[in-house]
Amino acid sequence: GAGVSQSPRYKVTKRGQDVALRCDPISGHVSLYWYRQALGQGPEFLTYFNYEAQQDKSGLPNDRFSAERPEGSISTLTIQRTEQRDSAMYRCASSPPEGRGPYNEQFFGPGTRLTVL
Amino acid sequence: KQEVTQIPAALSVPEGENLVLNCSFTDSAIYNLQWFRQDPGKGLTSLLLIQSSQREQTSGRLNASLDKSSGRSTLYIAASQPGDSATYLCAVVWQAGTALIFGKGTTLSVSS
Repeated sequence: GAGVSQSPRYKVTKRGQDVALRCDPISGHVSLYWYRQALGQGPEFLTYFNYEAQQDKSGLPNDRFSAERPEGSISTLTIQRTEQRDSAMYRCASSPPEGRGPYNEQFFGPGTRLTVL
Repeated sequence: KQEVTQIPAALSVPEGENLVLNCSFTDSAIYNLQWFRQDPGKGLTSLLLIQSSQREQTSGRLNASLDKSSGRSTLYIAASQPGDSATYLCAVVWQAGTALIFGKGTTLSVSS
């Protein structure tokens, strides 16, 4: 079965532009998480969804960041008016529903490397 | 504040050595703990998950232990190989269904 996929894998944009990062979770996984990882650091939580409902967005750094998962599958993380400090690896993970393996085991996609010039 | 710490930040060993990577966490009331492997430019690969009721998990040459009372987990790698060279991340979930809190990782280099 396919793993978590993310697109694009690499994104270079100019400061001030909007970007949309996509995550396609493993089929049947109900929870979807977004993380951001700076060089030399572990991933840091941004937001997560159960089905289409956004459960926690406390990790989003400011109101330029938003995320949606309208049909409970694919999710999009949008960054408006990008700034150089937004440059990082953005990682998505999904986890299966309770009862299908260890609950809350998270499986990660390859990430999107965002560079803001 | 719930935090995860990994020591050392980097480790170099010759091929064939057994080694231990350490992870410590504040607040012993965890839900589960996951160990991941990260290769440069690639995603995170889940190695082992230990639920709060478990003491250890094994997969091949890897063994992860959990001691909640002391707030520690260790990842034991037996007979290390150059292919084990990567960054190893420890991450904790404190409440079911919530996000992982990661340590900064230990970068392992195994020389042949």
